[in-house]
Amino acid sequence: ETGVTQTPRHLVMGMTNKKSLKCEQHLGHNAMYWYKQSAKKPLELMFVYSLEERVENNSVPSRFSPECPNSSHLFLHLHTLQPEDSALYLCASSQKRTGANVLTFGAGSRLTVL
Amino acid sequence: GQNIDQPTEMTATEGAIVQINCTYQTSGFNGLFWYQQHAGEAPTFLSYNVLDGLEEKGRFSSFLSRSKGYSYLLLKELQMKDSASYLCAVMDSNYQLIWGAGTKLIIKP
Repeated sequence: ETGVTQTPRHLVMGMTNKKSLKCEQHLGHNAMYWYKQSAKKPLELMFVYSLEERVENNSVPSRFSPECPNSSHLFLHLHTLQPEDSALYLCASSQKRTGANVLTFGAGSRLTVL
Repeated sequence: GQNIDQPTEMTATEGAIVQINCTYQTSGFNGLFWYQQHAGEAPTFLSYNVLDGLEEKGRFSSFLSRSKGYSYLLLKELQMKDSASYLCAVMDSNYQLIWGAGTKLIIKP
């Protein structure tokens, strides 16, 4: 496989469920990102991992918990979510450096919270 | 605050030319990116501008004016497959990406 792969592509969960989103990159990049994409809104950066260390956490509620076990894998653990958390969750990777830090995105996980 | 503005939606005709504008107010500037996102798919990188002027890549060109805080993406010889959302993003002085809400481009036959 090449690029950035996200699973599952679609997820429906109740507010009391616990689920996880998975992301895998096969590009040899050293940084991975979680973004939230809601309709007609700018992409919201949630977390950044660089060399497996979390370097950013943009005031995301604790019901979202990231995990980066190695440079190729990234998880987003979800628990006790709210309906307003329904959105497309995009994973991305890059070779983090100054200048043209081009992101390669996965196709996203469409989350619906009932 | 930091802000990126781009039109919500545009419509154009197959074979024509369309220009998608992006204006920005950010804390510093370290480059501007355009991404294309087809419905249900991943955003994909189109272009990067850090100096003023026009960058051409086949049917797509991107222009930047740093003094005006302005960029545009120019699409020529439009094809039906160009129907997508186009995302503008600026890298600020802290190398953080600030994103616009995207422009949905509809191509009609």
